Amino acid sequence: DQQVKQNSPSLSVQEGRISILNCDYTNSMFDYFLWYKKYPAEGPTFLISISSIKDKNEDGRFTVFLNKSAKHLSLHIVPSQPGDSAVYFCAEIGSQGNLIFGKGTKLSVKP
Amino acid sequence: DVKVTQSSRYLVKRTGEKVFLECVQDMDHENMFWYRQDPGLGLRLIYFSYDVKMKEKGDIPEGYSVSREKKERFSLILESASTNQTSMYLCASSDTLTPYNEQFFGPGTRLTVL
Repeated sequence: DQQVKQNSPSLSVQEGRISILNCDYTNSMFDYFLWYKKYPAEGPTFLISISSIKDKNEDGRFTVFLNKSAKHLSLHIVPSQPGDSAVYFCAEIGSQGNLIFGKGTKLSVKP
Repeated sequence: DVKVTQSSRYLVKRTGEKVFLECVQDMDHENMFWYRQDPGLGLRLIYFSYDVKMKEKGDIPEGYSVSREKKERFSLILESASTNQTSMYLCASSDTLTPYNEQFFGPGTRLTVL
C-alpha cells in the first residue's frame, strides 16, 4: 500500500532562515516524488520534483533531498521569504498514474 | 500556459440537492482528476479519467459520480448532497505524454452543504 506521510502539520520560521519540510513514504512504485505548494483559495501548483536516480534536485531557493534507504525526502527553502507561506504537499505517483498526496505542512514565514 | 477552470469558486447547497461541479482544461490533456481537500486530511482522490467516457474510482468515490463526455470537460456529481461533503473540491489535469505526470490544478470550488 502506497502512503505518503507528512508528520508536521505546521512549521513556523523567521524570514531569511531555512525552512525544512519533511516527508516519508512506505512503498514507491516509480521512485519519483513531487512537491506542490498551495495558497488559500487557490489550487496547488507544482514546485519541484526528484527521481531516484538523484539524491538532490535544486531549483533556485528550493532544494529537494531524497534518502531512498530511509524512505524519506525533504524540501529545503533558503532563504525563506514571507511569500513562501503556504501549505506544502509531498506527493508520489500511484499505481494507476494518479498522484498520492501527503496531508500537507502549513509553512508560516514571519517577517 | 495550461489552464484549468472550475465553474464556481464558492457554492452553497442544501442537503439532498443534486450538485454539479464542472471542470474544463484547455491543453488537450488526456487525464483529469477530482480531489477534495479537508483540513488535516490533505488531498484525497475521488475519481479520475484517462479518456473520454472512461472513469476510475479513486480513494473516496462514495456519494459521487463523474461524467466525461468531452475530452476537455470533467464533471463531478453529488447525487444527493450531504453535510459531510462540505469541502474544497479541486480538479486537475495531466498529459499522458508527460513522463512524470505533473498535474495542473484549477482554483478549486468551496462547497458548503447546509
